[in-house]
Amino acid sequence: ILNVEQSPQSLHVQEGDSTNFTCSFPSSNFYALHWYRWETAKSPEALFVMTLNGDEKKKGRISATLNTKEGYSYLYIKGSQPEDSATYLCAFLKSWGSSNTGKLIFGQGTTLQVKP
Amino acid sequence: DSGVTQTPKHLITATGQRVTLRCSPRSGDLSVYWYQQSLDQGLQFLIQYYNGEERAKGNILERFSAQQFPDLHSELNLSSLELGDSALYFCASTIGAGGRETQYFGPGTRLLVL
Repeated sequence: ILNVEQSPQSLHVQEGDSTNFTCSFPSSNFYALHWYRWETAKSPEALFVMTLNGDEKKKGRISATLNTKEGYSYLYIKGSQPEDSATYLCAFLKSWGSSNTGKLIFGQGTTLQVKP
Repeated sequence: DSGVTQTPKHLITATGQRVTLRCSPRSGDLSVYWYQQSLDQGLQFLIQYYNGEERAKGNILERFSAQQFPDLHSELNLSSLELGDSALYFCASTIGAGGRETQYFGPGTRLLVL
């Protein structure tokens, strides 16, 4: 069974605070790690697809790092705004050798609430 | 708007019934994925189709089946419905078959089984 764990489960911060969450995944047979942002009553929206150990990606105030050897990824939000309130999901993709698929294994998510 | 469309948006039905959920991928995308989001579980991968062929399978129940048609739209058929099948069903699409591409999610179909 492939386990993808996210922590914390939920987080409440004040506007302007910086925050970060963790995604842990199996360190063997790594192929890719996805981060998604899911706002209430909407559908998941892609943030990053990370593939290489040491990868760092950035999109505005949101950035992510990847450590495939130890099996974790961090998502950082700098200067949180109320519009950042959402559930942040990570999803692990295992390598299946020559014939890869898009079979993502999602974590349970970290729900962020940013208070004005 | 991701460009992925799903119909219907909401569906209410009774136990034992059969329903069909429909998904149209983004223009040019060849892969379609189906996911289930239940109250007590995270997003669960059900199945992937690539250019009309089944590419990967998750923990999809035998009562559920899917197909992708020549025009690349996909349908998820749920039969002998049980209360526990009540969930939000998403489809997503990508250009290729592998997993290093962003998956674009549709708005979802909310199924309620009474």
